[in-house]
Amino acid sequence: SYVLTQPPSVSVAPGKTARISCGGNNIGSKSVYWYQQKPGQAPVLVIYYDSDRPSGIPERFSGSNSGNTATLTISRVEAGDEADYSCQVWDSNSDHPVFGGGTRLTVL
Amino acid sequence: QVQLIHSGAEVKKPGASVKVACKASGYTLTIYFLHWVRQAPGRGLEWMGWINPNSGDTNSAQKFQGRVTMTRDTSINTAYMELDRLTSDDTAMYYCARGRWVGATLGWYFDLWGRGTLVTVSS
Repeated sequence: SYVLTQPPSVSVAPGKTARISCGGNNIGSKSVYWYQQKPGQAPVLVIYYDSDRPSGIPERFSGSNSGNTATLTISRVEAGDEADYSCQVWDSNSDHPVFGGGTRLTVL
Repeated sequence: QVQLIHSGAEVKKPGASVKVACKASGYTLTIYFLHWVRQAPGRGLEWMGWINPNSGDTNSAQKFQGRVTMTRDTSINTAYMELDRLTSDDTAMYYCARGRWVGATLGWYFDLWGRGTLVTVSS
């Protein structure tokens, strides 16, 4: 089945830009969704259709997708952005959603 | 407030079954498909299956077929996921999530999640 690869961890200083990658074979042909998970809280959709933000998600969150890599970018990172971030696509071959392994974002 | 509310944590012995409840609050359960996703410690999210709360139709990942049962009680706006023949590998947080279908190419995504139910399988 389709495999999504994320780095286990990304660290960034407050106010800087964090970039979290999600690799997959020709992922640029798929629509990528990103979720934020904080301990003890429900996961939250932060990006859909590669780069759209749901209502209530700050403009600091953006997404891109091309070739074999999709990227979640968080600008002007805040302490409250510290969380796990997971990417997701639809695998039409297996007919089910597939998630990446998740990336722990640490704000230094 | 629109939310999905999970039942409490469970501790089960190997070979037992567990039934997790997910109550929709602030919206009618039958309007959207309801998915189940789990996350084992230190692992990524894993899709288990969905239920159409309107019809009761279900679809599950091949890995769980024959072992998972998804049901709903529309009178109390609640969906259930029952997993049989538990092993230690089933120790995980189990989430319900509201699914949005965007067509055969773009598939499903999840716009509302519950906080999860922790299921621990231990002898």
